Amino acid sequence: DIQMTQSPSSLSASVGDRVTITCRASQGISNYLAWYQQKPGKVPKLLIYAASTLQSGVPSRFSGSGSGTDFTLTISSLQPEDVATYYCQKYNSGFGQGTKVEIK
Amino acid sequence: QVQLVQSGAEVKKPGASVKVSCKASGYTFTSYGISWVRQAPGQGLEWMGWISAYNGNTNYAQKLQGRVTMTTDTSTSTAYMELRSLRSDDTAVYYCARGGQLDAFDYWGQGTLVTVSS
Repeated sequence: DIQMTQSPSSLSASVGDRVTITCRASQGISNYLAWYQQKPGKVPKLLIYAASTLQSGVPSRFSGSGSGTDFTLTISSLQPEDVATYYCQKYNSGFGQGTKVEIK
Repeated sequence: QVQLVQSGAEVKKPGASVKVSCKASGYTFTSYGISWVRQAPGQGLEWMGWISAYNGNTNYAQKLQGRVTMTTDTSTSTAYMELRSLRSDDTAVYYCARGGQLDAFDYWGQGTLVTVSS
């Protein structure tokens, strides 16, 4: 099984900061990667698919990059409503362990 | 609009089985797969597997092989996930989601809490 490893496991940043979350696959997965956001008590929401394509309706401050084994989710200017846990996932396979994002 | 509506909460005893349903609407059911994801209390997301609504092909997480069965009923646009030999660590919210084999999960059900307790 392909393992997905995210870092950091949690972070605290100020409103307006640039935030970067990384995800590494244990073997190459081309661009078969998605990013999800889950707010407390809510259903996960798709943010990014195919590693870098923004899902319809998702704010443009979110972006994704990478291919092969190394991927990045970036929030260009952190907003209070971005407080959530973020997960990467290789299609049809497991998720990363999650990154909890908080406001400092 | 696309909707996935799941069945209600369940309480089961250890060793029992549970079957959760996921009724799809707003799209052509057989054009997409259905995946199942669970989340234990306070824990992360765990992928359980995928079923093609087109031909019934499945791909299960290795950890659950032998205990999980995913099926679909195309006449009612409903997907099912059955988990057998339940243990306390199967207590979780179970989600269905549209997509899986070669695409991301763009729509999710509301979740079904399954509690395993003696």
